[in-house]
Amino acid sequence: DQQVKQNSPSLSVQEGRISILNCDYTNSMFDYFLWYKKYPAEGPTFLISISSIKDKNEDGRFTVFLNKSAKHLSLHIVPSQPGDSAVYFCAASEGSGNTGKLIFGQGTTLQVKP
Amino acid sequence: DGGITQSPKYLFRKEGQNVTLSCEQNLNHDAMYWYRQDPGQGLRLIYYSQIVNDFQKGDIAEGYSVSREKKESFPLTVTSAQKNPTAFYLCASSIDRTSGKLYNEQFFGPGTRLTVL
Repeated sequence: DQQVKQNSPSLSVQEGRISILNCDYTNSMFDYFLWYKKYPAEGPTFLISISSIKDKNEDGRFTVFLNKSAKHLSLHIVPSQPGDSAVYFCAASEGSGNTGKLIFGQGTTLQVKP
Repeated sequence: DGGITQSPKYLFRKEGQNVTLSCEQNLNHDAMYWYRQDPGQGLRLIYYSQIVNDFQKGDIAEGYSVSREKKESFPLTVTSAQKNPTAFYLCASSIDRTSGKLYNEQFFGPGTRLTVL
């Protein structure tokens, strides 16, 4: 059973426009969410996170929105740049985060066209 | 510089052989994790360890084994019992318990591409 789902395998946007990546989850006990960026043949790098007590977290061009009632989060990248082209994974933490265990979605491949 | 290292970058093995993937971190992190990534899929947890000399099975532990004798090291052995071992393997670490932070992101190594011939 996939507890974290990224239903769009790929997304293509024009440079300078907004990229919106979506993620849905089923476990209401998740209370911490993260986005990772991954280039081919490399390990994922942490991008941004949000606690369930918040509905928005912003870091430069990256903003994560959390809608707990819908069990949905999204990552907005504004403006999108060609260097943002990568696979983006959302992840959720079980319980209080003390174990550090994360559940990952399948990933969305973002292509930003110049 | 602090970080996580995995070696080798590429690994080939013959069917029926065991192989051990290395993971070392100098971040003073307590917890370490092993994931596998297959094309079109997310990261699936194989094993994790929250503290030295202790580890737990993840979602796909069958055919794998680990040890955690030192805080810095968390090697993964892919045994001949693993039916489909060809994949990209990622090691991660997190949670410095002295930091006082409640939530901690995981930091990943560069990965090892294992191919079974």
